Amino acid sequence: YELTQPPSMSVAPGQTARMTCEGNNIRRTGVHWYQQKPGQAPVLVVYDDSDRPSGIPERISGSKSGNTATLTISRVEVGDEADYFCQVWDSISDHPALGAGTRVTVL
Amino acid sequence: QVTLKESGPALMSPTQTLTLTCTFAGFSLSGPTMRVGWIRQPPGKALEWVARIDGDDEKFYNTSLKTRLTISKDTSRNQVALTMTDVDPGDTAFYYCVRIKGVCGSITCTYYFDHWGLGTLVTVSS
Repeated sequence: YELTQPPSMSVAPGQTARMTCEGNNIRRTGVHWYQQKPGQAPVLVVYDDSDRPSGIPERISGSKSGNTATLTISRVEVGDEADYFCQVWDSISDHPALGAGTRVTVL
Repeated sequence: QVTLKESGPALMSPTQTLTLTCTFAGFSLSGPTMRVGWIRQPPGKALEWVARIDGDDEKFYNTSLKTRLTISKDTSRNQVALTMTDVDPGDTAFYYCVRIKGVCGSITCTYYFDHWGLGTLVTVSS
């Protein structure tokens, strides 16, 4: 799998941020998303396309249509400023594939 | 509570052998469904998968790094070690230890990194 993410985006506080992850055949596998704030380790925010781990706010949601997965952050806050990475698991090679990440700037 | 913590040298010289240790708690790395891996990230750059070891001692490596890597586990001490030979400045990165969790559908399973260590920065410089 090769995963394509837009390198950056900007959003105003209170607005909605939508970022995509595209890849051949990702419709056949679960897509997972990680949030990495400056100077911190990544944190899982969405797994298997749309499930949220405990402690992740409902403002953060995932979806997928065809070979494009989308991470949506509603009512964006300054604290949402971070890099967001998508990931899938290649069941043939039994290896993960990681996107290059989208940097979200909150204006 | 699941925790993972990386330890190892902060500074290396080119051609040396790097050994990193991940000490974890809150789960046992035993049985084929349990997995622990390493991911690295050069400062300011993207994440790169490095290696993983399963509870049944199966081992998997990033193809581009495979010849230089060895991963092992000590189940009794709840530790996973990663050894990388012949390091060079291109190996400068934050190295993260991760627990890998799976969810299975009717046909296939998908895996993700549900817990991460804080990471350790390894700098390779002459």
